[in-house]
Amino acid sequence: EDKVVQSPLSLVVHEGDTVTLNCSYEVTNFRSLLWYKQEKKAPTFLFMLTSSGIEKKSGRLSSILDKKELFSILNITATQTGDSAIYLCAVHTPYNNNDMRFGAGTRLTVKP
Amino acid sequence: DAGVIQSPRHEVTEMGQEVTLRCKPISGHNSLFWYRQTMMRGLELLIYFNNNVPIDDSGMPEDRFSAKMPNASFSTLKIQPSEPRDSAVYFCASRLTGSHNGGYTFGSGTRLTVV
Repeated sequence: EDKVVQSPLSLVVHEGDTVTLNCSYEVTNFRSLLWYKQEKKAPTFLFMLTSSGIEKKSGRLSSILDKKELFSILNITATQTGDSAIYLCAVHTPYNNNDMRFGAGTRLTVKP
Repeated sequence: DAGVIQSPRHEVTEMGQEVTLRCKPISGHNSLFWYRQTMMRGLELLIYFNNNVPIDDSGMPEDRFSAKMPNASFSTLKIQPSEPRDSAVYFCASRLTGSHNGGYTFGSGTRLTVV
């Protein structure tokens, strides 16, 4: 059965800390892995990763995919209170029934 | 573009009542997805449509749930009769099949409370 596992499930840090969120997956017919940030309501898109070893970066956030070891990490440097959110990892599997399998998410809390 | 539009934003109903959630996808997107989010189960895919046709409804929890997409710009998710365990946030998302940019666009969700 396809699965996407995120860790840790929750994390509490202080402003300025660097955090690494993990996402491992076991799916058939992998196409891409996506990271979303969910604050109050709908998830907002962060990154889409399709190739191993190529880092994607946006400001203080970066992410990389390892297709051999079947995982991805999302790094946030110099965290701010505004980074507090649930970070969702999802794997796009267009040939499977579920099309897009989400992990349960990591709840990040950044304290001032 | 106004994005994916869901209505209502909040719904409180009594057990046994019928509930209808609505979604207007982004114009030009040909895939539409209904998700349910709860603390216990995270974000679950309920059903998705491609070109208005239901492709996979295996995530629909039971016969009380039904979804329709009568045209490319509108979809409904109906629960009849509703139960307290249906309380959750229901998200609609759309995308352009084959797009390699950005994946999905989510609506703001409908928070359903069944008492």
